[in-house]
Amino acid sequence: GQQLNQSPQSMFIQEGEDVSMNCTSSSIFNTWLWYKQDPGEGPVLLIALYKAGELTSNGRLTAQFGITRKDSFLNISASIPSDVGIYFCAGPAREVTFFDPRGATNKLIFGTGTLLAVQP
Amino acid sequence: NAGVTQTPKFRILKIGQSMTLQCTQDMNHNYMYWYRQDPGMGLKLIYYSVGAGITDKGEVPNGYNVSRSTTEDFPLRLELAAPSQTSVYFCASSYSKGSYNTGELFFGEGSRLTVL
Repeated sequence: GQQLNQSPQSMFIQEGEDVSMNCTSSSIFNTWLWYKQDPGEGPVLLIALYKAGELTSNGRLTAQFGITRKDSFLNISASIPSDVGIYFCAGPAREVTFFDPRGATNKLIFGTGTLLAVQP
Repeated sequence: NAGVTQTPKFRILKIGQSMTLQCTQDMNHNYMYWYRQDPGMGLKLIYYSVGAGITDKGEVPNGYNVSRSTTEDFPLRLELAAPSQTSVYFCASSYSKGSYNTGELFFGEGSRLTVL
């Protein structure tokens, strides 16, 4: 099945540093979503991307939808201690069947996650 | 503004017992999902639903069952609990823009299940 691989697996940085992480897939995605999970809580949506090449910002966060549609990138500028958590990419896995040759896209799968630790 | 509500928050089961994790959302979202998250791991999709009366398998459906009789509720059933089902379970919902699923998930707080 389709998989989303994230790198790096974990990052330990100093407060104020910039952070970059990425997500890759062996197949094409039409939507990329980035979520953050704080310890003991459910993930929360950070940024949604719907077009190849799209660059979208949310405060200090910037995400890009790769031109090949097989990858996406998330950058965090000037990190602060509350950025600590696990960052996940997600997207709709396409299931092509005889009855739906276009492929249903409601099966939302998550990447392996990037654990971010920020040293004050 | 409750959003997605899961119960119970914690549960300990013995091997072979059965139980149902409840999930309800008050946002009138047509899409609902169940994920499990093992320690230090990502989220794996168990089952999902695109609307009342319609459910489908995700990545790891074995050992689980779901139903969607109403838009609001999407319970997850474990019939014969096994230690491998020890995990944190998250319910989520999302909305559509027209016929397009935005994929923008709203998660519950999670249900921590231990099977001994």
